[in-house]
Amino acid sequence: QSVLTQPPSASGTPGQRVSISCSGSSSNIGTNYVYWYQQLPGTAPKLLMHRTNQRPSGVPDRFSGSKSGTSASLAISGLRSEDEADYYCAAWDDSLSGWVFGGGTKLTVL
Amino acid sequence: QITLKESGPTLVKPTQTLTLTCTFSGFSLNTYGVAVGWIRQPPGKALEWLALIYWDDNKRYSLSLKSRLTISRDTSKNQVVLTMTNMDPVDTGIYFCVHESGFDFGAYWGQGTLVTVSS
Repeated sequence: QSVLTQPPSASGTPGQRVSISCSGSSSNIGTNYVYWYQQLPGTAPKLLMHRTNQRPSGVPDRFSGSKSGTSASLAISGLRSEDEADYYCAAWDDSLSGWVFGGGTKLTVL
Repeated sequence: QITLKESGPTLVKPTQTLTLTCTFSGFSLNTYGVAVGWIRQPPGKALEWLALIYWDDNKRYSLSLKSRLTISRDTSKNQVVLTMTNMDPVDTGIYFCVHESGFDFGAYWGQGTLVTVSS
């Protein structure tokens, strides 16, 4: 059971905007930055968003991150077929003194 | 250019101890704020954080696995070693090492190494 809660699946059609949620608690998302990773099949995760809403160099501005209270969201606008992947959120947990992950969301582009 | 690469056995027997090595380049684990961690992923399942070692040799462990894990470093070889005792088939999965610096967690990952636990 993951400490952070994500929907197991999400979907959208090309060009649409989709949002993936990540729910935590005051000891993780409520206090610390949120990170998002994209994992394509058979590959290592790739950092998509750091410090909650900052895109690393090379990540398209179609991706955006936000946080409100103990929940965070990753939004993808102008959905493309290559966005089909698994997405994970993560945050440092002050109570556990460690990193915690969400269970992952499989995004399907219809 | 920062790179990390995991190495270790691909097959271990139940009850054995797993030793994995992360060999990195492009940064120093003596630099303030830098850390190297381990994350695993069972087949078809989610990422799970295991352990972290900091530039000052402080260590953090997953509470659920703390009794079985030891993380250490050899700064002269640019390596971080993770040992996990009493391996079980549920420990089967891909083990990744990951770089952390300041508020940047997971900007760099190793390719991962698949460990299978089976008799």
